[in-house]
Amino acid sequence: KQEVTQIPAALSVPEGENLVLNCSFTDSAIYNLQWFRQDPGKGLTSLLLIQSSQREQTSGRLNASLDKSSGRSTLYIAASQPGDSATYLCAVSTGNTPLVFGKGTRLSVIA
Amino acid sequence: GAVVSQHPSWVICKSGTSVKIECRSLDFQATTMFWYRQFPKQSLMLMATSNEGSKATYEQGVEKDKFLINHASLTLSTLTVTSAHPEDSSFYICSARRQPEGPLHFGNGTRLTVT
Repeated sequence: KQEVTQIPAALSVPEGENLVLNCSFTDSAIYNLQWFRQDPGKGLTSLLLIQSSQREQTSGRLNASLDKSSGRSTLYIAASQPGDSATYLCAVSTGNTPLVFGKGTRLSVIA
Repeated sequence: GAVVSQHPSWVICKSGTSVKIECRSLDFQATTMFWYRQFPKQSLMLMATSNEGSKATYEQGVEKDKFLINHASLTLSTLTVTSAHPEDSSFYICSARRQPEGPLHFGNGTRLTVT
């Protein structure tokens, strides 16, 4: 059974700092991995999708990497801003199946 | 593109009543939609997979008769919480895919409070 773990559970950084969020999964036979952002009381916003054949994806200040063989992904946020404060979730898919989510990392960027 | 609209955003109902939540894919057709439930400070838990024109597939431990799912068209799925109880109070989120290998797009969720 696929399990997704995210470390740390919570993170607080000063504005402008670069940071890394970690995600690990137990079954490396994934189809893709997706990073989401969730603001309090809101739904999820998809940030980046990495297919199993890819190593990384970039969007603006965000960069997500994937090492399928070791079961790990990282989300790198450059020059963090207070508006980046949210919970970040990673989720993996094994084909046309529902995603398995981690519990998320709650990020606070202090101005 | 790929917008998923969920309605209502929040609802308060009395114990014993039923509540319907709608999930619509506004600019794409979704043969499959997923319904999740989220408790405070917890991750999303998949409740069921909704397939257009067929019965939903429920996850273990989810009561089919309590959480009725209907996927009547390629752009609409509904979740009805029947005979709601306070323990059903939660955040319910739907999602849909444009393509099997594509990203999952989420609605903004519905906050259900049962008094």
